[in-house]
Amino acid sequence: SYVLTQPPSVSVAPGKTARLTCGGNNIGSKSVHWYQQKAGQAPVLVMYSESERPSGIPERFSGSNSGSTATLTISRVEAGDEADFYCQVWDSSSDHHVVFGGGTKLTVL
Amino acid sequence: QVTLRESGPALVTPTQTLTLTCTFSGFSLRTSGMCVSWVRQPPGKALEWLALIDWTDDKYYSTSLRTRLTISKDTSKNQVVLTMTNMDPVDTGTYYCARTTWVRGVIAFDYWGQGALVTVSS
Repeated sequence: SYVLTQPPSVSVAPGKTARLTCGGNNIGSKSVHWYQQKAGQAPVLVMYSESERPSGIPERFSGSNSGSTATLTISRVEAGDEADFYCQVWDSSSDHHVVFGGGTKLTVL
Repeated sequence: QVTLRESGPALVTPTQTLTLTCTFSGFSLRTSGMCVSWVRQPPGKALEWLALIDWTDDKYYSTSLRTRLTISKDTSKNQVVLTMTNMDPVDTGTYYCARTTWVRGVIAFDYWGQGALVTVSS
């Protein structure tokens, strides 16, 4: 089965840039989506199809996907960005199903 | 405005069957590309996808939980129901339903319910 690997934690100072990675075998050939989950809340879609931002998501959020790594980049990080972030793909290679990464806790120092 | 709300028991005993209902508004499961999924999250752990039902009534399940899950829809009531058999304490967690869009092979969860906390304990 397909596996997505995310670092458990990333720390960044306010105003700096955070880069959250999501690794998977040839993930560059798949559509990757990102969710932000703040403490005690439901997840929110913040990026879909690598680099498309849903309505209401700040331009500070951007995404890319190539080779074996997809990246969610958050520029000018704010305290309010602190959350868990999950990447997700649809794996149609064998058994059709959704795959989530293990999540990255973004801490704003 | 799209909304989803999960409902069901907060407490189930081991070996029981869990039945959760997702009641939604703002979209229709008759519309091409519209789906509803269930996702769960044990306390302090990552999201885990459980099942998806699409506008054609095709169903997809997590490989590891396939034998215990059934997803169904009532289009007239705007509801999707998930049943999970043989509940165990490790199944404790928050269960979310989410609107899922399926367009040209791309599947994403664009709206989520607030989640229902289910505790499995005797």
